[in-house]
Formats: sequence, C-alpha cells, structure tokens
Amino acid sequence: EDQVTQSPEALRLQEGESSSLNCSYTVSGLRGLFWYRQDPGKGPEFLFTLYSAGEEKEKERLKATLTKKESFLHITAPKPEDSATYLCAVQVGYRGYQKVTFGTGTKLQVIP
Amino acid sequence: DAGITQSPRHKVTETGTPVTLRCHQTENHRYMYWYRQDPGHGLRLIHYSYGVKDTDKGEVSDGYSVSRSKTEDFLLTLESATSSQTSVYFCAIRNNELLAGDGNEQFFGPGTRLTVL
Repeated sequence: EDQVTQSPEALRLQEGESSSLNCSYTVSGLRGLFWYRQDPGKGPEFLFTLYSAGEEKEKERLKATLTKKESFLHITAPKPEDSATYLCAVQVGYRGYQKVTFGTGTKLQVIP
Repeated sequence: DAGITQSPRHKVTETGTPVTLRCHQTENHRYMYWYRQDPGHGLRLIHYSYGVKDTDKGEVSDGYSVSRSKTEDFLLTLESATSSQTSVYFCAIRNNELLAGDGNEQFFGPGTRLTVL
C-alpha cells in the first residue's frame, strides 16, 4: 500500500529561522512527488513537482529536494506570510490513471 | 489560475437528503477529480473522470456518485447524506500543460464545506 508520512505535524519558527519539512514515502513506481501549500479555508496551491532522486527546485524562500525515500522542503529565512499547511503527495501510475496519495501535511507558523 | 470554481461554497443539510456539488472549469481539461479532506487524513480521492461520461471510482467512493455530461462540469452527488460525509470537498483538474508545472500536477478549486446534521 502506498504511504506518505509528513513530519513534523506542526512547526513554529521565528521569522528568519530556517528549517526543513520532511515527506517520507513508500510507493511502488514513483512517477512524481508534489508539494502544495494550503491556506486556511482555501484549496491546495501547487508549488513543485520532483521526478527523480537528486532533483531540486526552488521558488523564492522554498527549495524542494528528492531522494529515493523522502523529500524535503527547505524554508530559508521564512516570513510570516509563509505560514500555511504544506502538503506532500506522490504519484504512481495505476490502471492508466494518475493515482495520487497525499500526506496529512505540516502546519507551519512563522512568528514575527 | 486554473479557472476552477465550485458551488456551493458552503452547505448545511440534514441526514438522508440528497446533495449535489458542482465543479466547473473553463480550460478544457480532460481529467477531473473529487477529493474529500478531513482532519487526520490526507486528501482522499472519491471519484475521477477522464472524459465526458467517463468516470471511475477512487478509494472512498461508497455513498457518492458522479456525472460528467460536459467537459467543463463534474458533479458529485451524495444520494442520501450521512453525518460521516461532513467534510470539505475539493475538485481538481490535471494539468494539460497550459498551467505552471510539468504537466502532471493537479490544480485544486476553492472547496465546498459540507455539514450534514
């Protein structure tokens, strides 16, 4: 069974205090790993897709990396507006459709 | 912006009543999905569609049905709502390479908060 585990469940940082969020996964035949940001009362907002171990992608203060068993979302010098829940999801090919399994998220709070 | 709207955005209903949620997209995406999101669970797939009148079940499809008579609309119906179906429902489309990303990502609508009393 495909599994996605995110840690920590919640993280509180001071503004400017860099840290990393973890997404570990157990799947058969990874086709892609996605990171999303979700603000309260809104739908998930796409951030990154990673396809193979060693791949990295960056966007402003966020950097996503991928290994064969986990992905990290590094947040450099976060600001209060980075406060949100960050979701990780993995895609496997399955019966010709895109099966995507989501983790339960890491709730990030950045304190001014 | 993936051009996805959901209606209604909020709904309160009573156990046993039928409920239909609507997802509308404006960019001719082939694949559409319905998820539910509950505390302690990741987003879970209810049903998906891969074209007009082509639909299939996801992992939590019991008690739900869907229909897609037009490319732009994907309807989710709760035939007889139960309290366990109280949740936030999200519609998503699969990127057809017109949006940011590499072409495999799903983009989500704003959600419908459903409460079944």
